[in-house]
Amino acid sequence: AQSVTQPDIHITVSEGASLELRCNYSYGATPYLFWYVQSPGQGLQLLLKYFSGDTLVQGIKGFEAEFKRSQSSFNLRKPSVHWSDAAEYFCAVRGGGADGLTFGKGTHLIIQP
Amino acid sequence: DTEVTQTPKHLVMGMTNKKSLKCEQHMGHRAMYWYKQKAKKPPELMFVYSYEKLSINESVPSRFSPECPNSSLLNLHLHALQPEDSALYLCASSQEYGQGGEKLFFGSGTQLSVL
Repeated sequence: AQSVTQPDIHITVSEGASLELRCNYSYGATPYLFWYVQSPGQGLQLLLKYFSGDTLVQGIKGFEAEFKRSQSSFNLRKPSVHWSDAAEYFCAVRGGGADGLTFGKGTHLIIQP
Repeated sequence: DTEVTQTPKHLVMGMTNKKSLKCEQHMGHRAMYWYKQKAKKPPELMFVYSYEKLSINESVPSRFSPECPNSSLLNLHLHALQPEDSALYLCASSQEYGQGGEKLFFGSGTQLSVL
């Protein structure tokens, strides 16, 4: 069965500082990996996804993520955060076929002025 | 149009009421999903429709009844709910289901409170 672990429940970052959100997955083969962002009371928006090819994936809003098979990780990064990046971030994994999308528990990002 | 529209945005209902949540997309997607999200928790998959047929039911209680009248619409009929069913109900769609890497488009959700 597939699973996702986001070890950090909350992260506080100063505006303008760099950001890295951690995600570890468990799946027998190469999974499909996603990062979604959710603002309060809103649905989820896809930031980026990986399923093959270049292990460094560029997404929207200046985010990128790197797939590291040896570490079973798919960490999300941004070089300089903005106050509008404050939100809940979910890493998600999906196997092939009819498997559904499994979300991690989320990381709540707080931006300090 | 890259939107998934959900109505209503908020719903308060009693345990004996019958209500319906509605979801609509006009992107030509053939897969539609219902997720349930409790506060400070990740979304949990409830149902998947693929080509208007129910493909996945994640052991959801029968007081939740999904319906897909056509490829653009998805309903969730609610009856005799319990207070613990209070949550944000998210609808999503994707081009296809079962290909693994497809992008899900989410609606803003219906915030449901059961009294």
